[in-house]
Amino acid sequence: AQSVTQLGSHVSVSEGALVLLRCNYSSSVPPYLFWYVQYPNQGLQLLLKYTSAATLVKGINGFEAEFKKSETSFHLTKPSAHMSDAAEYFCAVSLNAGKSTFGDGTTLTVKP
Amino acid sequence: EPEVTQTPSHQVTQMGQEVILRCVPISNHLYFYWYRQILGQKVEFLVSFYNNEISEKSEIFDDQFSVERPDGSNFTLKIRSTKLEDSAMYFCASRREGVDYGYTFGSGTRLTVV
Repeated sequence: AQSVTQLGSHVSVSEGALVLLRCNYSSSVPPYLFWYVQYPNQGLQLLLKYTSAATLVKGINGFEAEFKKSETSFHLTKPSAHMSDAAEYFCAVSLNAGKSTFGDGTTLTVKP
Repeated sequence: EPEVTQTPSHQVTQMGQEVILRCVPISNHLYFYWYRQILGQKVEFLVSFYNNEISEKSEIFDDQFSVERPDGSNFTLKIRSTKLEDSAMYFCASRREGVDYGYTFGSGTRLTVV
């Protein structure tokens, strides 16, 4: 079985501040982990993925995430928030590259 | 950059009617999926499709749902008799075989059942 927990349904940061979106997973086997971003009325765009290579994964738009097996975490970070980062972010886990199980999502608000 | 195309972008249907949601996956992708997202809720897996057959389906994907790849390019989701609770955004996704396990999602079809 696989599951994902995103801590914090809403995160608000100031423009230029650090963005930290938390994701913890539960998996019976080594997982594949993903972060997606969803802008209003749009589809899901892949930000980055972990597929058992480097534990620090860099994605698009300056985001990165670190896979920490001991903490079963895959938190998403960005050093400096931009207004255009305001969106909903979903963490997802896949066990065998088949279906993905998504977290509940975190809405990121960026204040000017 | 290749895209997954979904049509229509928005469909309104009466309860009990059949709807077909259409998707054109990326041409060299081999795995196809449908997910749905009820307004304000998480993205839920419906079904995966590989080698012209369903490889996995969720509890949501009951007898009212079916998928088809009729012509080698389109990938459709049919809901036979829609219910109010089927109102959601439906996303198609595809991925290629290999180590790149991230999906490419379409923009979605917003289905409203009235």
